[in-house]
Amino acid sequence: DTEVTQTPKHLVMGMTNKKSLKCEQHMGHRAMYWYKQKAKKPPELMFVYSYEKLSINESVPSRFSPECPNSSLLNLHLHALQPEDSALYLCASSQESFSGRDNEQFFGPGTRLTVL
Amino acid sequence: GESVGLHLPTLSVQEGDNSIINCAYSNSASDYFIWYKQESGKGPQFIIDIRSNMDKRQGQRVTVLLNKTVKHLSLQIAATQPGDSAVYFCAETTNTNAGKSTFGDGTTLTVKP
Repeated sequence: DTEVTQTPKHLVMGMTNKKSLKCEQHMGHRAMYWYKQKAKKPPELMFVYSYEKLSINESVPSRFSPECPNSSLLNLHLHALQPEDSALYLCASSQESFSGRDNEQFFGPGTRLTVL
Repeated sequence: GESVGLHLPTLSVQEGDNSIINCAYSNSASDYFIWYKQESGKGPQFIIDIRSNMDKRQGQRVTVLLNKTVKHLSLQIAATQPGDSAVYFCAETTNTNAGKSTFGDGTTLTVKP
């Protein structure tokens, strides 16, 4: 199984709502990532988890809260978002988080988030 | 249907032609580079990678060239097919930023039948 799954596929939420995005992989990968992608722009790294511990936080606002319950799951909890947070949120996983070696990241299809 | 050297946001080629997609990177310490393909409604998909100790790597119908002197990366697609239509991104990583890949601006490739 070389697939990263993400749910939901689409999400519409108000600025006062609390919602969560979910990501799952069963490739035994120990690194998992959240990216944000605006239309016609490259993905921007938000968070990296390595062995279920947060290793990189790219100065993401606290209204985005990541969680890694186990090595296969990655969540992104959303609260009090702004309309400018509307984007495609991509999850990815790789064997390890170290660069300098072949370390292909496998991406999920993303969750299309709209904040009203 | 080729563009050499210059990064273009869009590239249109005829089916069967060769395509060249260019990428400039900024960090001279970057030591690992990846090309991704992103089709509409999907996440990026790994195509090919190259380490900084190489200047060329070939895959099936694709070749990546790395010029560290001018910090330039290119992706060559041979005999381009309609299924190659997508947005292509290069990404760079450094040893000191474990897990952090920085994506370049993408190029939208359109293949005309």
